[in-house]
Amino acid sequence: AQSVSQHNHHVILSEAASLELGCNYSYGGTVNLFWYVQYPGQHLQLLLKYFSGDPLVKGIKGFEAEFIKSKFSFNLRKPSVQWSDTAEYFCAVNPFGNEKLTFGTGTRLTIIP
Amino acid sequence: ETGVTQTPRHLVMGMTNKKSLKCEQHLGHNAMYWYKQSAKKPLELMFVYNFKEQTENNSVPSRFSPECPNSSHLFLHLHTLQPEDSALYLCASSQDGLTTNTGELFFGEGSRLTVL
Repeated sequence: AQSVSQHNHHVILSEAASLELGCNYSYGGTVNLFWYVQYPGQHLQLLLKYFSGDPLVKGIKGFEAEFIKSKFSFNLRKPSVQWSDTAEYFCAVNPFGNEKLTFGTGTRLTIIP
Repeated sequence: ETGVTQTPRHLVMGMTNKKSLKCEQHLGHNAMYWYKQSAKKPLELMFVYNFKEQTENNSVPSRFSPECPNSSHLFLHLHTLQPEDSALYLCASSQDGLTTNTGELFFGEGSRLTVL
């Protein structure tokens, strides 16, 4: 069974700092990859996704993620964070052709103004 | 506005009660899901329905009983729950399921369940 590891449980940054959140998965086959975000008091929503093609994908609000197949990683990045980026971020993996979307435990991001 | 509405938002029940969680999606999707979100644990897939047919049951105890009367509605019937079942229960939908190459989930805001 596939699993997803998010090594950073809580990250605290100042505004304008650069962000990188790690995500590694264990599954040997083709996968679809996702980052979801949950702002305080709101529902989970899609930030970005990778299915195929360019391994560098861009999402909403200036976020991007890079799929490195050899490292089984899909790290999330943003060059300059804002206070409004305070949220919980979840990486998720879906084996191609499978209904199961497996989530990581999430990373809580706190941005200090 | 998420397009996926869950009721009730909060529910407190005793171990001998029977209650139900309701989910309605207004997106015209064909697949619906129940996930469980517990503190410090990954979201756990519980059930998947595709075109009203259950396609996944992720080894969920029988005290949780799903029902999907049509593509827009999904219920989770609860009976004789345990305190460890206290969690946030999330409903989600997708256009045609995650087996398509463009599948993504749209989540509701969740139903916070407390079992006493």
